[in-house]
Amino acid sequence: SQTIHQWPATLVQPVGSPLSLECTVEGTSNPNLYWYRQAAGRGLQLLFYSVGIGQISSEVPQNLSASRPQDRQFILSSKKLLLSDSGFYLCAWSEYAGRILTQHFGDGTRLSIL
Amino acid sequence: AQTVTQSQPEMSVQEAETVTLSCTYDTSENNYYLFWYKQPPSRQMILVIRQEAYKQQNATENRFSVNFQKAAKSFSLKISDSQLGDTAMYFCALIDGNEKLTFGTGTRLTIIP
Repeated sequence: SQTIHQWPATLVQPVGSPLSLECTVEGTSNPNLYWYRQAAGRGLQLLFYSVGIGQISSEVPQNLSASRPQDRQFILSSKKLLLSDSGFYLCAWSEYAGRILTQHFGDGTRLSIL
Repeated sequence: AQTVTQSQPEMSVQEAETVTLSCTYDTSENNYYLFWYKQPPSRQMILVIRQEAYKQQNATENRFSVNFQKAAKSFSLKISDSQLGDTAMYFCALIDGNEKLTFGTGTRLTIIP
C-alpha cells in the first residue's frame, strides 16, 4: 500500500535561517505531489505542485521554493525564513480512485519562526 | 477560478445526535469532484468522503453521507450518531480540470459528551 512520510514533525527556526522540509511517498510511481500551508485557524493554501521529476509549479509568489530531485521525493526550501513563514505545512500525493483524483496527506510539519 | 465556501466556522452537537455541515462552491467546469476532509487535533488530514459531480446519487460512508445539490452548488456533510472521535476541523474541497484541490476555510466541530 502507499504511504507518505513527512519530516520533521515540528521545527523551530530563527528568522533568516534556511529551511528544508522533506516528503517521500512509497508504494507508487510518478505521483503528483503537493505542498500546502495552513495558517492557524485557516484553510489550506496550495504552495507548489509537481507532476514529475524537476517539474515544479508555484501557486503563490513567496519566500519558499520546492524541488523534486527524485520521483517520490518532494522538498520545500527557503534560503532565509520570515516570521510570516510560520504555519503548518502539509505534503500530499494524488491518485485516481476509479474516476476520482484523490489527494492523500502526510502528517504535517509545524514550523515556528522566532 | 473555483471557490469553496463554508459559512459555519464552528458547530457543536451532543454525542449520538446528527449534525450537518454546509458547503457551497463555484466552478465553471462540468466535470469536477467534491471532498470532505477531517483534521483532528493531531492535525493529520483524513479523507472522509468524496463525490463525483456527474453522479446524482449521494455518497455515503458508514455514518457519513452527503447531500449533493448540483444546481445549487451545494455539498453538505451529514454525520449521524456522532461520536467523540468526530471532534475535528472539517474541510470541504473541490477539484476540477486543473487537478488542484481548492479548500474551504473549515468548520470546527465539537462533539459534547
